[in-house]
Amino acid sequence: AQTVTQSQPEMSVQEAETVTLSCTYDTSENNYYLFWYKQPPSRQMILVIRQEAYKQQNATENRFSVNFQKAAKSFSLKISDSQLGDTAMYFCAFMGSGTSYGKLTFGQGTILTVHP
Amino acid sequence: DSGVTQTPKHLITATGQRVTLRCSPRSGDLSVYWYQQSLDQGLQFLIQYYNGEERAKGNILERFSAQQFPDLHSELNLSSLELGDSALYFCASSVEVRTGELFFGEGSRLTVL
Repeated sequence: AQTVTQSQPEMSVQEAETVTLSCTYDTSENNYYLFWYKQPPSRQMILVIRQEAYKQQNATENRFSVNFQKAAKSFSLKISDSQLGDTAMYFCAFMGSGTSYGKLTFGQGTILTVHP
Repeated sequence: DSGVTQTPKHLITATGQRVTLRCSPRSGDLSVYWYQQSLDQGLQFLIQYYNGEERAKGNILERFSAQQFPDLHSELNLSSLELGDSALYFCASSVEVRTGELFFGEGSRLTVL
């Protein structure tokens, strides 16, 4: 079974600064997908960024980028130029391939607070 | 707004009771997923339906059941409720299962007293 671990229960950052959230995972699969989802106080889960394991290039979405280290099974999220609206809980998630399509395994989450 | 609608948003009930949570997926999405979010268990996958058929099962209790109807809306039935069933229940939908991009509803907050 896959496991996803987020070792930082809480993080804080000043507005306009950069913060990195950590995530490690464990799997025996070779093809899989990794995600970061954001859950703001409104509680709705929102996809932030997605990485396919067979792609070596790290995914980037505007101010959000990942550092994907397949051998180390590490998948960190970097948020640049942090904004107050980035305050939320962030979940790292894993999805295998084949019969696991659609089944996301989530980490425990990291609460990020952006201070003005 | 993700386009996924869940009702009710909040529900308070007593132990031993039965409740039904409803989900309308985004227009065109054939896959529907149910997730449970609780303080002690975190976010857990419960069950997935694709075009009316059960596709995958996760950590769903036998007291819980779900179905997806021909119009693609889905219902999650929770019976013989226990205090530990108190949680936020999310429905999500996707058009393509391989992307892993799920569109989540706002969740139904269930409180069992």
